[in-house]
Amino acid sequence: DAMVIQNPRYQVTQFGKPVTLSCSQTLNHNVMYWYQQKSSQAPKLLFHYYDKDFNNEADTPDNFQSRRPNTSFCFLDIRSPGLGDAAMYLCATSRAGAGYNNSPLHFGNGTRLTVT
Amino acid sequence: QKEVEQNSGPLSVPEGAIASLNCTYSDRGSQSFFWYRQYSGKSPELIMSIYSNGDKEDGRFTAQLNKASQYVSLLIRDSQPSDSATYLCAVRDGGFKTIFGAGTRLFVKA
Repeated sequence: DAMVIQNPRYQVTQFGKPVTLSCSQTLNHNVMYWYQQKSSQAPKLLFHYYDKDFNNEADTPDNFQSRRPNTSFCFLDIRSPGLGDAAMYLCATSRAGAGYNNSPLHFGNGTRLTVT
Repeated sequence: QKEVEQNSGPLSVPEGAIASLNCTYSDRGSQSFFWYRQYSGKSPELIMSIYSNGDKEDGRFTAQLNKASQYVSLLIRDSQPSDSATYLCAVRDGGFKTIFGAGTRLFVKA
């Protein structure tokens, strides 16, 4: 089955220690997103890639970076995690282009990040 | 600031009843509307999408959209304990950004 896969499912890191979360997809979607979701809150968009074009949300902290080396993979780098960065990080994909601009998001299983 | 508002709940209904979940949104330019189900500790799962005014039915689920009132709803008929989850309303403007509400927690009592 075509899927969005996130690794790891659970990640524990120390305060200030860089951490990378990964996402891969077999859906061949041209848009990949990273959302942050804290307990009982709405998922919050951090950034997205449309093909190789990177789009950062205005309120995404500089501490968060992303890389998309190819269509299938996307990484979220947190350069210096703080206690407030503990959350579920959700990778999602969608198709964009003629006829697809209102297509839904397909989510991976998420990575639960704990900062100690 | 574009917003999606939902009653956080919890909404408690007995098994077999109809659960009604509501959502309002602020951006009149929104073009597509989605309901996602999220179990505790899991990622959101698409339940319904709706793009035009009126009702859309899929099994036990019916989505309703009223663009004039900027209102979206989800009805779940014959509610089951397995329907107990948080339901997220999401709105997309035709661009790349999908904005989510904080969700309504639903409890279906056996």
